[in-house]
Order: sequence, then C-alpha cells, then structure tokens
Amino acid sequence: DTAVSQTPKYLVTQMGNDKSIKCEQNLGHDTMYWYKQDSKKFLKIMFSYNNKELIINETVPNRFSPKSPDKAHLNLHINSLELGDSAVYFCASSPYNSPLHFGNGTRLTVT
Amino acid sequence: KNEVEQSPQNLTAQEGEFITINCSYSVGISALHWLQQHPGGGIVSLFMLSSGKKKHGRLIATINIQEKHSSLHITASHPRDSAVYICAVSEYGNKLVFGAGTILRVKS
Repeated sequence: DTAVSQTPKYLVTQMGNDKSIKCEQNLGHDTMYWYKQDSKKFLKIMFSYNNKELIINETVPNRFSPKSPDKAHLNLHINSLELGDSAVYFCASSPYNSPLHFGNGTRLTVT
Repeated sequence: KNEVEQSPQNLTAQEGEFITINCSYSVGISALHWLQQHPGGGIVSLFMLSSGKKKHGRLIATINIQEKHSSLHITASHPRDSAVYICAVSEYGNKLVFGAGTILRVKS
C-alpha cells in the first residue's frame, strides 16, 4: 500500500534514555516533516527535509536530531529523554506546496 | 495570541444538521489547509486552498484572503463526521502553523 508509515506506534521509555522513531514514505514525495502534538492536541512543526536537505528547523532542543538517509526516509532521534518530551509525533510527506500525507503517529511516553 | 484562531472550540450537532467551523489568521499566507483527526488519532488532509471555494462530497471549504478568514462547512452531518477539525496556514512552502482544533461531535 502507498502510505507514510512510522514505527513504533507506541514507545514507553524512561527519562534519560535515547530513542528513535522511523518514518518511511513510498509516495515519491520530495518533502518530509516531523510534527509534535502535545497533550492539548496542539500541532507544531519540528523539522522539514526536502530531498535529504534540512529546510525547516524550528525551536527544538538539540536533543532532537532528524536524519534523512534518502528522500523516502526521515528518522527522528531523541537523546536524553525528558518527561516533557511525552507527546504524539507525526511524520508527514508531500510534494512541494501540496497537501500533506500523515503517518499514524507515534505516542511517546517518558516515565 | 495564536496566529491561527478557530471557532468554536467544541461543537455538538444533531445528525443531519449543517455545520460551520471558522478559522481566522493574522499572517500572510500562501495557502490554508483543513485537516481532520479522528478519535483513533490519524490525520487526513481535507482541503488545501488559496482562494475561493472547494467542495468534496458533503464538505465545502471557503477562504476570503482579504478578510483572512476561512470556513469549513459540513452538509447533512453524520456521526462518522465526529472528529477534530484543524485549520493550518502555510506562511511559505509547507511550513504550517496550526489552529488549536475544533472538536465536533455529531449525535444520532
């Protein structure tokens, strides 16, 4: 199926750990994104890559590092996890200036 | 104050009613998006528009660039329309700024 798929769906971990969330799209889109949805369901952009090049980097702690090995993948690495990192993280992709296609989200819980 | 304001925050309707959700924004934009997030959490793009009006099935989206305002209408609402509807604006490219969402519940 053509889609944006992200793994894992749920991630429960302890403070201080390092974790990764993976995202893959087989839609042939040039641009991929990471969004964070907080406990109040408010969405904010974190990063955007276009053809493996970082084009948007919002005010995000440098414990968060995106990595795009190719234009179909955009992974999110988080170091030294904190309680406040608990949220739902959405990956998305799109052609430039076109509607977004979202993954199903990864619910991260830091205890 | 958020750059994108939605109203109402919560909306309960009876099945069959005509529903309107409003979105106002304060920045210059290249496009406005309407998204739908179902209780299961997945997000779907409903519309992307930069002028005029778009229609898809029972959903209609309009935008007034001069007034910096958009509306999402649902005709003949149904319980399966129950979801969170999110307005977002593109300041440039696809850098989206989101509204807080409108929680819609349609009762049968």
